[in-house]
Amino acid sequence: GQNIDQPTEMTATEGAIVQINCTYQTSGFNGLFWYQQHAGEAPTFLSYNVLDGLEEKGRFSSFLSRSKGYSYLLLKELQMKDSASYLCAVRLSGAGSYQLTFGKGTKLSVIP
Amino acid sequence: DTGVSQDPRHKITKRGQNVTFRCDPISEHNRLYWYRQTLGQGPEFLTYFQNEAQLEKSRLLSDRFSAERPKGSFSTLEIQRTEQGDSAMYLCASSSGTGGYEQYFGPGTRLTVT
Repeated sequence: GQNIDQPTEMTATEGAIVQINCTYQTSGFNGLFWYQQHAGEAPTFLSYNVLDGLEEKGRFSSFLSRSKGYSYLLLKELQMKDSASYLCAVRLSGAGSYQLTFGKGTKLSVIP
Repeated sequence: DTGVSQDPRHKITKRGQNVTFRCDPISEHNRLYWYRQTLGQGPEFLTYFQNEAQLEKSRLLSDRFSAERPKGSFSTLEIQRTEQGDSAMYLCASSSGTGGYEQYFGPGTRLTVT
């Protein structure tokens, strides 16, 4: 089976930096996605990593280590609007390579 | 580009009734996906279309569920003889056939079975 783990909840202060970790054990791997989901809304795409290393996009960065089955999402200069759930999702290889397998999400609360 | 749209946004039905949801993907996207999400969980894959062909189906998709994409554009998801366990958010996503693999999600249809 596929296993994707992320912390259930995190709290951070406005203006700070927060790192949300994701570990995965999957039968095949073809890339890792991060999505943001505000309560009651659809997930929105944040980043896609397929090679090891750090991808930076504005205040958000995502890191991948394929050998360790590990990724993190780094959010800098936190704003109140960043309060949301952050979903880690793996794209498998072979059969099923177009579907995404999601973790349960990490609910981030940004406090003043 | 108007994004992925879904209709209806909310549906309340009684157990045993049939329901049908519609998804209109981003116009140039040839790949379309259905997911189901319950509270506190990430989306779970249900099925995938490339153009009009249904290429993948999850074991979650029981015989009561059927999906179509007759002309390779919009898609419908039908649930027959609904059960209370079917209550969830049903999300549709689409992606381009070229370039990146990111999927763009619609606002979802929230189904409540009473």
